[in-house]
Amino acid sequence: DTGVSQDPRHKITKRGQNVTFRCDPISEHNRLYWYRQTLGQGPEFLTYFQNEAQLEKSRLLSDRFSAERPKGSFSTLEIQRTEQGDSAMYLCASSPSGSGNEQFFGPGTRLTVL
Amino acid sequence: AQSVTQLGSHVSVSEGALVLLRCNYSSSVPPYLFWYVQYPNQGLQLLLKYTSAATLVKGINGFEAEFKKSETSFHLTKPSAHMSDAAEYFCAVSSTSGTYKYIFGTGTRLKVLA
Repeated sequence: DTGVSQDPRHKITKRGQNVTFRCDPISEHNRLYWYRQTLGQGPEFLTYFQNEAQLEKSRLLSDRFSAERPKGSFSTLEIQRTEQGDSAMYLCASSPSGSGNEQFFGPGTRLTVL
Repeated sequence: AQSVTQLGSHVSVSEGALVLLRCNYSSSVPPYLFWYVQYPNQGLQLLLKYTSAATLVKGINGFEAEFKKSETSFHLTKPSAHMSDAAEYFCAVSSTSGTYKYIFGTGTRLKVLA
């Protein structure tokens, strides 16, 4: 069990550029979550996958955001036409199926939009 | 809808003193409750969880929390603070069915004074 990994750890981009983040969950976990954390706030839910199916998206996830989880393994989160307000820490978490199971978090990708 | 309130964005205690971090939740149905700790530049690490078994939950590093339904609270305590406890602590609530997504509080930064 190598834990949840995220890549890159840091990303600096200019406003208007597209960025893509990757999350590799713990291998036997079929649930995958993306959260966004801004300075001084708790993480906010963005989207949820069960295997390859995206079952819930927050209203925070504008149409510039898209997430995928092909084959139910790793996941990607893409932000198109980035804005300064997108600057945040993007956290990925995974958990096994079943009730009451905690989520295991990755180290996050810190995005800075200039 | 579910929500979490953490009273006190910053808490300072002396080394060896009692740690008390407050968390109140709102939920129309009995929830699952979690406490996570976040060290600088690291992901969230689970301290403990309540999943409708024992109301007094013991976690890692000497932390414990008590679920009090009548007070809708899940406060985190530790009898004796250690310098290594300095970090940010997040309380989270999730539903007991569906996506199990987390709703986080805004966090409490704990400072331990020598």
